[in-house]
Amino acid sequence: QVQLVESGGGVVQPGGSLRLSCAASGFTFRDYAMHWVRQAPGKGLEWVAVIWYDGTYKYYADSVQGRFTISRDNSKNTVYLQMNSLRTEDTAVYYCARDADKYGMRYCDNWGQGDLVTVSS
Amino acid sequence: EIVLTQSPGTLSLSPGERATLSCRASQSLSSTYLAWYQQKPGQAPRLLIYRTSGRATGIPDRFSGSGSGTDFTLTINSLEPEDFAVYYCQQYGRPWTFGQGTKVEMK
Repeated sequence: QVQLVESGGGVVQPGGSLRLSCAASGFTFRDYAMHWVRQAPGKGLEWVAVIWYDGTYKYYADSVQGRFTISRDNSKNTVYLQMNSLRTEDTAVYYCARDADKYGMRYCDNWGQGDLVTVSS
Repeated sequence: EIVLTQSPGTLSLSPGERATLSCRASQSLSSTYLAWYQQKPGQAPRLLIYRTSGRATGIPDRFSGSGSGTDFTLTINSLEPEDFAVYYCQQYGRPWTFGQGTKVEMK
């Protein structure tokens, strides 16, 4: 079955960097767009970024544009989120999620368990 | 950016009752682009409904979605104990946005 496993989270100081990974299995990874969605403690869901199936197109929420970079390695079945210039308001559980198609224009039909990123001095 | 507003914020109901959750969009949406998710404490969201009314794999038929334009509804007929959770609507036109959530709690 579809499995998405995030890793790389932890505690980082404001202004620091962190890279999240999401390892996928149980499906043909290269055929699907992938998203990152985050959830601040006690808050709702916030979409962060999407990447097309082949990595040629990426799109970001305004709140992370210019600071975060989404990428993927289809040979490793892994999607990444490089987070730079981190702010306290980036503290959240970060979920990777699979889009139902190649171009990220559908719903997220499978989600990872999430990974906590805490930005604090 | 399309803003989604969910109401009510909290719904207090008993098992066996019907839950009606609302999601209103700030501008008209194609019904193709509206989904609902369920999230339980400490868990990832789970897809319930896609394209306004399509049930995701394994979702019981007591869950149903409807709506068009700017007004969309998730209905849960005869609540089961496992249905008490937070529900989010989402539109998946760029940028993707979520509603703020409706908590369905046990009365």
